[in-house]
Amino acid sequence: LAKTTQPISMDSYEGQEVNITCSHNNIATNDYITWYQQFPSQGPRFIIQGYKTKVTNEVASLFIPADRKSSTLSLPRVSLSDTAVYYCLVGPMYSGGGADGLTFGKGTHLIIQP
Amino acid sequence: EAGVTQFPSHSVIEKGQTVTLRCDPISGHDNLYWYRRVMGKEIKFLLHFVKESKQDESGMPNNRFLAERTGGTYSTLKVQPAELEDSGVYFCASSQERGTEAFFGQGTRLTVV
Repeated sequence: LAKTTQPISMDSYEGQEVNITCSHNNIATNDYITWYQQFPSQGPRFIIQGYKTKVTNEVASLFIPADRKSSTLSLPRVSLSDTAVYYCLVGPMYSGGGADGLTFGKGTHLIIQP
Repeated sequence: EAGVTQFPSHSVIEKGQTVTLRCDPISGHDNLYWYRRVMGKEIKFLLHFVKESKQDESGMPNNRFLAERTGGTYSTLKVQPAELEDSGVYFCASSQERGTEAFFGQGTRLTVV
């Protein structure tokens, strides 16, 4: 599975847009990019998944450039409740939205302040 | 609809004892996964069931760990005998089909003393 690199932590304020970038230089042709969110004392929660260009759902947007060597998770107008750890995962489609052999890195600790 | 539920939420046992963790997936989900995060480390995959069959158990650390899913419904993960390094949080997840969104439980925190 492709190795991912993302910031260890980020701070932002309520109401702002937060962008978390993940690097995955060794992404393979059949790899998808998936982001999970984890609150303290809870299991990870699927946020969004994409292969290329842009994907948007009710929670976030995922921007993937043409070379797919990085991706950016965008959270619009964050609130205090968005404080969590965000994981970027890269793997074959069956291990993207699903949970086959997912490799969780250290994630990005996002702290939202009032 | 109930999500993935795990029992117990927290277990403290002595080294050498046996502990059994239980996971009830979302009803109708054929795929069930076990993950764990040991102290200070990242969340790691343990194994994957499709119904009652083990699809992938490449992440199981050693033969002290035994996972079962008799009948293809709930699953148990037994650690026997438990060692100190087994302490951590054990997560269970389920998905309806392979490759579709997986839902995680809240985890079982295991402390071996």
